[in-house]
Amino acid sequence: GQQVMQIPQYQHVQEGEDFTTYCNSSTTLSNIQWYKQRPGGHPVFLIQLVKSGEVKKQKRLTFQFGEAKKNSSLHITATQTTDVGTYFCAVGANNLFFGTGTRLTVIP
Amino acid sequence: GAVVSQHPSRVICKSGTSVKIECRSLDFQATTMFWYRQFPKKSLMLMATSNEGSKATYEQGVEKDKFLINHASLTLSTLTVTSAHPEDSSFYICSAPGTQNTDTQYFGPGTRLTVL
Repeated sequence: GQQVMQIPQYQHVQEGEDFTTYCNSSTTLSNIQWYKQRPGGHPVFLIQLVKSGEVKKQKRLTFQFGEAKKNSSLHITATQTTDVGTYFCAVGANNLFFGTGTRLTVIP
Repeated sequence: GAVVSQHPSRVICKSGTSVKIECRSLDFQATTMFWYRQFPKKSLMLMATSNEGSKATYEQGVEKDKFLINHASLTLSTLTVTSAHPEDSSFYICSAPGTQNTDTQYFGPGTRLTVL
Protein backbone atom coordinates (compact mmCIF):
# COMPACT_ATOMS: atom_id res chain seq x y z
CA GLY A 1 0.00 0.00 0.00
CA GLN A 2 0.85 3.64 -0.15
CA GLN A 3 3.16 5.12 2.42
CA VAL A 4 3.06 8.55 3.90
CA MET A 5 5.50 9.92 6.40
CA GLN A 6 4.46 12.33 9.07
CA ILE A 7 6.61 14.64 11.12
CA PRO A 8 7.11 15.27 13.89
CA GLN A 9 6.22 12.09 15.72
CA TYR A 10 5.61 13.98 18.95
CA GLN A 11 5.05 17.63 19.77
CA HIS A 12 4.72 19.24 23.17
CA VAL A 13 3.51 22.82 23.17
CA GLN A 14 2.51 25.35 25.76
CA GLU A 15 -1.14 26.26 25.60
CA GLY A 16 -1.50 29.19 23.25
CA GLU A 17 1.42 28.22 21.04
CA ASP A 18 0.97 27.16 17.46
CA PHE A 19 1.40 23.61 16.17
CA THR A 20 2.07 22.17 12.74
CA THR A 21 2.27 18.61 11.48
CA TYR A 22 3.49 17.66 8.02
CA CYS A 23 2.65 14.75 5.81
CA ASN A 24 4.84 13.70 2.88
CA SER A 25 4.39 11.19 0.11
CA SER A 26 6.83 10.03 -2.54
CA THR A 27 4.00 9.73 -5.03
CA THR A 28 1.39 12.16 -6.26
CA LEU A 29 -1.81 11.88 -4.30
CA SER A 30 -5.34 12.18 -5.62
CA ASN A 31 -6.48 13.46 -2.27
CA ILE A 32 -5.51 13.51 1.37
CA GLN A 33 -7.56 13.34 4.51
CA TRP A 34 -6.85 14.38 8.05
CA TYR A 35 -8.12 12.67 11.19
CA LYS A 36 -7.86 13.36 14.90
CA GLN A 37 -7.73 10.61 17.47
CA ARG A 38 -8.14 11.50 21.11
CA PRO A 39 -6.36 9.30 23.66
CA GLY A 40 -8.34 6.08 23.98
CA GLY A 41 -10.67 7.11 21.19
CA HIS A 42 -11.17 6.41 17.53
CA PRO A 43 -10.19 8.52 14.51
CA VAL A 44 -12.54 11.34 13.67
CA PHE A 45 -12.60 12.79 10.19
CA LEU A 46 -11.49 16.41 10.01
CA ILE A 47 -11.18 17.27 6.34
CA GLN A 48 -10.35 16.13 2.85
CA LEU A 49 -8.14 18.05 0.41
CA VAL A 50 -8.36 17.37 -3.29
CA LYS A 51 -7.03 20.28 -5.30
CA SER A 52 -3.42 21.24 -5.83
CA GLY A 53 -2.46 24.10 -3.53
CA GLU A 54 -5.77 23.89 -1.70
CA VAL A 55 -6.08 25.63 1.66
CA LYS A 56 -9.00 25.02 3.98
CA LYS A 57 -9.72 26.44 7.38
CA GLN A 58 -11.75 25.17 10.29
CA LYS A 59 -11.69 27.76 13.06
CA ARG A 60 -8.12 27.54 14.41
CA LEU A 61 -7.12 24.70 12.07
CA THR A 62 -5.60 25.38 8.65
CA PHE A 63 -5.05 22.56 6.18
CA GLN A 64 -2.88 22.82 3.10
CA PHE A 65 -2.31 20.55 0.13
CA GLY A 66 0.95 21.06 -1.71
CA GLU A 67 1.14 22.27 -5.28
CA ALA A 68 2.61 18.96 -6.38
CA LYS A 69 0.01 17.05 -4.32
CA LYS A 70 2.75 15.16 -2.55
CA ASN A 71 2.60 16.86 0.81
CA SER A 72 0.14 18.39 3.19
CA SER A 73 0.14 20.20 6.48
CA LEU A 74 -2.16 20.86 9.38
CA HIS A 75 -1.59 24.00 11.40
CA ILE A 76 -3.30 24.81 14.67
CA THR A 77 -3.20 28.40 15.86
CA ALA A 78 -3.14 29.13 19.58
CA THR A 79 -3.50 25.56 20.81
CA GLN A 80 -5.91 24.67 23.56
CA THR A 81 -5.96 21.67 25.87
CA THR A 82 -8.85 20.29 23.86
CA ASP A 83 -6.50 19.95 20.89
CA VAL A 84 -4.66 17.10 22.62
CA GLY A 85 -4.57 13.92 20.56
CA THR A 86 -2.89 12.29 17.62
CA TYR A 87 -3.33 13.80 14.20
CA PHE A 88 -3.13 11.49 11.24
CA CYS A 89 -3.08 12.15 7.57
CA ALA A 90 -4.52 9.41 5.42
CA VAL A 91 -4.50 8.62 1.74
CA GLY A 92 -6.55 6.36 -0.44
CA ALA A 93 -10.07 6.16 -1.74
CA ASN A 94 -12.02 4.12 0.77
CA ASN A 95 -9.35 1.82 2.15
CA LEU A 96 -7.18 4.34 3.86
CA PHE A 97 -3.48 4.21 4.50
CA PHE A 98 -2.64 6.28 7.50
CA GLY A 99 0.43 8.32 8.15
CA THR A 100 2.50 7.61 11.21
CA GLY A 101 0.69 10.32 13.15
CA THR A 102 1.79 13.24 15.29
CA ARG A 103 0.96 13.07 18.96
CA LEU A 104 0.20 16.52 20.32
CA THR A 105 0.48 17.33 23.99
CA VAL A 106 -0.67 20.73 25.17
CA ILE A 107 0.72 21.93 28.47
CA PRO A 108 -1.72 24.21 30.31
CA GLY B 1 -24.70 11.81 10.85
CA ALA B 2 -23.36 8.36 10.12
CA VAL B 3 -22.78 6.28 13.22
CA VAL B 4 -20.76 3.10 13.42
CA SER B 5 -20.84 0.92 16.50
CA GLN B 6 -18.60 -1.90 17.61
CA HIS B 7 -19.14 -4.67 20.09
CA PRO B 8 -17.59 -5.53 22.41
CA SER B 9 -15.60 -2.46 23.38
CA ARG B 10 -13.16 -4.55 25.39
CA VAL B 11 -12.46 -8.24 25.53
CA ILE B 12 -9.97 -10.32 27.45
CA CYS B 13 -9.51 -13.90 26.41
CA LYS B 14 -7.19 -16.82 26.95
CA SER B 15 -4.64 -17.81 24.38
CA GLY B 16 -6.06 -20.26 21.86
CA THR B 17 -9.63 -19.05 22.00
CA SER B 18 -11.50 -17.24 19.25
CA VAL B 19 -13.00 -13.79 19.58
CA LYS B 20 -15.70 -12.24 17.43
CA ILE B 21 -15.95 -8.48 16.98
CA GLU B 22 -19.03 -6.89 15.45
CA CYS B 23 -19.15 -3.69 13.45
CA ARG B 24 -22.52 -2.13 12.68
CA SER B 25 -23.58 0.88 10.67
CA LEU B 26 -26.50 2.19 12.69
CA ASP B 27 -28.26 4.67 10.47
CA PHE B 28 -26.97 3.86 7.02
CA GLN B 29 -26.11 0.92 4.84
CA ALA B 30 -22.56 -0.06 4.06
CA THR B 31 -21.76 -2.50 1.30
CA THR B 32 -18.13 -2.08 2.21
CA MET B 33 -16.49 -1.82 5.59
CA PHE B 34 -12.86 -1.73 6.57
CA TRP B 35 -10.99 -3.32 9.44
CA TYR B 36 -7.92 -1.73 10.97
CA ARG B 37 -5.55 -2.72 13.73
CA GLN B 38 -3.71 -0.29 15.92
CA PHE B 39 -0.92 -1.23 18.32
CA PRO B 40 -0.21 1.08 21.24
CA LYS B 41 1.14 4.45 20.17
CA LYS B 42 1.21 3.32 16.56
CA SER B 43 -0.73 4.21 13.48
CA LEU B 44 -3.75 2.40 12.12
CA MET B 45 -2.94 -0.42 9.76
CA LEU B 46 -5.53 -1.56 7.26
CA MET B 47 -6.16 -5.28 7.62
CA ALA B 48 -8.91 -6.00 5.17
CA THR B 49 -11.84 -4.75 3.19
CA SER B 50 -15.13 -6.37 4.05
CA ASN B 51 -17.53 -6.74 1.14
CA GLU B 52 -21.21 -7.47 1.61
CA GLY B 53 -22.15 -10.72 -0.04
CA SER B 54 -18.65 -11.62 -1.16
CA LYS B 55 -15.22 -12.50 0.17
CA ALA B 56 -13.15 -10.00 2.05
CA THR B 57 -10.00 -8.57 0.53
CA TYR B 58 -6.99 -8.86 2.77
CA GLU B 59 -3.92 -6.65 2.85
CA GLN B 60 -0.53 -8.18 2.35
CA GLY B 61 0.72 -9.96 5.42
CA VAL B 62 -2.71 -10.43 7.01
CA GLU B 63 -3.66 -14.09 7.40
CA LYS B 64 -7.16 -14.60 6.10
CA ASP B 65 -7.56 -17.89 7.94
CA LYS B 66 -6.70 -16.26 11.22
CA PHE B 67 -8.80 -13.13 10.79
CA LEU B 68 -12.13 -14.30 9.46
CA ILE B 69 -14.38 -11.61 8.08
CA ASN B 70 -18.06 -12.00 7.36
CA HIS B 71 -20.22 -9.24 5.91
CA ALA B 72 -23.61 -10.90 6.01
CA SER B 73 -25.81 -7.84 5.75
CA LEU B 74 -25.66 -4.22 4.66
CA THR B 75 -25.22 -3.07 8.25
CA LEU B 76 -23.04 -5.72 9.86
CA SER B 77 -19.51 -6.95 9.42
CA THR B 78 -17.80 -9.30 11.84
CA LEU B 79 -14.14 -9.97 12.45
CA THR B 80 -13.23 -13.21 14.18
CA VAL B 81 -9.74 -13.59 15.55
CA THR B 82 -9.21 -17.33 15.60
CA SER B 83 -6.86 -19.10 17.97
CA ALA B 84 -5.82 -15.80 19.46
CA HIS B 85 -2.32 -15.34 20.83
CA PRO B 86 -0.84 -12.58 22.98
CA GLU B 87 0.68 -10.92 19.91
CA ASP B 88 -2.86 -10.43 18.58
CA SER B 89 -3.59 -8.09 21.47
CA SER B 90 -4.41 -4.79 19.86
CA PHE B 91 -7.05 -2.16 19.21
CA TYR B 92 -9.30 -3.25 16.34
CA ILE B 93 -11.29 -0.54 14.59
CA CYS B 94 -13.77 -0.76 11.77
CA SER B 95 -14.91 1.96 9.43
CA ALA B 96 -17.54 2.50 6.78
CA PRO B 97 -17.72 5.11 4.05
CA GLY B 98 -20.36 7.79 4.26
CA THR B 99 -23.26 7.66 1.87
CA GLN B 100 -23.21 11.32 0.86
CA ASN B 101 -19.45 11.57 0.62
CA THR B 102 -17.96 8.15 0.13
CA ASP B 103 -14.46 9.51 0.66
CA THR B 104 -15.31 10.21 4.28
CA GLN B 105 -14.79 7.29 6.61
CA TYR B 106 -16.79 6.89 9.80
CA PHE B 107 -14.98 4.89 12.40
CA GLY B 108 -16.38 2.68 15.08
CA PRO B 109 -15.27 3.25 18.68
CA GLY B 110 -12.88 0.31 18.49
CA THR B 111 -12.45 -2.96 20.36
CA ARG B 112 -9.51 -3.47 22.65
CA LEU B 113 -8.48 -7.10 22.61
CA THR B 114 -6.18 -8.50 25.27
CA VAL B 115 -5.04 -12.09 24.91
CA LEU B 116 -3.56 -13.61 28.02
